[in-house]
Amino acid sequence: EAQVTQNPRYLITVTGKKLTVTCSQNMNHEYMSWYRQDPGLGLRQIYYSMNVEVTDKGDVPEGYKVSRKEKRNFPLILESPSPNQTSLYFCASSITRSWNEQFFGPGTRLTVL
Amino acid sequence: KNEVEQSPQNLTAQEGEFITINCSYSVGISALHWLQQHPGGGIVSLFMLSSGKKKHGRLIATINIQEKHSSLHITASHPRDSAVYICAVSQTGTASKLTFGTGTRLQVTL
Repeated sequence: EAQVTQNPRYLITVTGKKLTVTCSQNMNHEYMSWYRQDPGLGLRQIYYSMNVEVTDKGDVPEGYKVSRKEKRNFPLILESPSPNQTSLYFCASSITRSWNEQFFGPGTRLTVL
Repeated sequence: KNEVEQSPQNLTAQEGEFITINCSYSVGISALHWLQQHPGGGIVSLFMLSSGKKKHGRLIATINIQEKHSSLHITASHPRDSAVYICAVSQTGTASKLTFGTGTRLQVTL
């Protein structure tokens, strides 16, 4: 089954404790992206990747890092999480750079205390 | 002012009604996307448009590039259409960068 998986689905952590949210897709897609969703602000793009070792900033990259060492994986790294990074995070992938038929992961709800 | 504005923010309809959700944008775009977010949180891509009109089942999406406006129509609405509908644009020159509207919450009742 074609899918995007994210882990963990739920995470409660404390300020400053480094964490990684994993994202993996099994569709051989070149394009992958991370978004955060907040009430009243909607979805906002954090980082995206066009291929292995090629990444670029979205609208809200501050406080986040990404890496794309393999085509299927695109982890999101929070080196020193802060409470304003409490949010719902989605990973997505697409076969096209214009995000036609984008496949979304199930979401990761992160709380930073 | 947000670059992508959706209206209405909330919409309640009775089963069978024709529904229109609007999206206006203030930037040059290469494409416009409509997404659906289910009550459980999952997000599905519905359409990508760069001109004209697309139809899939009871869903129709249109775009007017000159007026910088798109509409998503749902014909013969059903309670299972209850969801948040989200508009997003790929800006000209940055096709992989997406900017989203804040969504329209649709509730269809029996």
